[in-house]
Amino acid sequence: KNQVEQSPQSLIILEGKNCTLQCNYTVSPFSNLRWYKQDTGRGPVSLTIMTFSENTKSNGRYTATLDADTKQSSLHITASQLSDSASYICVVSSVSGGYNKLIFGAGTRLAVHP
Amino acid sequence: GAGVSQSPRYKVAKRGQDVALRCDPISGHVSLFWYQQALGQGPEFLTYFQNEAQLDKSGLPSDRFFAERPEGSVSTLKIQRTQQEDSAVYLCASSLLQGAEVQPQHFGDGTRLSIL
Repeated sequence: KNQVEQSPQSLIILEGKNCTLQCNYTVSPFSNLRWYKQDTGRGPVSLTIMTFSENTKSNGRYTATLDADTKQSSLHITASQLSDSASYICVVSSVSGGYNKLIFGAGTRLAVHP
Repeated sequence: GAGVSQSPRYKVAKRGQDVALRCDPISGHVSLFWYQQALGQGPEFLTYFQNEAQLDKSGLPSDRFFAERPEGSVSTLKIQRTQQEDSAVYLCASSLLQGAEVQPQHFGDGTRLSIL
């Protein structure tokens, strides 16, 4: 069964600190891996998209890594800000029926405190 | 606006009533997706449209759920004879094109449906 598992489930850090969120997946066939940020009451917003051949991709203070051999990904947030408080969702895309079908993790809920 | 627009933002209905949720995708986006998100969980796929064609409806949980996109732009998700387990946030997303190309999906802010 295609699955995406994230850890930790929730995380509290102090403003200015760094953190790393983890994602493990069992999805086949694999097309690409995405990280989304979802603020409370809002829709998810894309942070990064990585294909099989990409090991790392950055978007400002967000850096995602991908190890396709071990089927693991991480999202590193540098110098956290209060506005980083949100759920971060790992999403794996699998080509099915001629299009990219997204399988979502349950998310890591991050709270940044002053 | 330039983003995906969903309406209503909140919907409260009594068990057994029918509801209709609307999605206005980004202009020119060929692909449109509906997702269901339970509290504290990630979104789960419901159905996929390419223009007006519904190419995948494998995620619809029962025959009470029906989606359409008659002119290839606005889409409506209809739920008949609602049950309490239908309570969730329903998200719509659109993208320029799917298939072999890797395209980000742009999400609306969802409709929060509560069944009493």
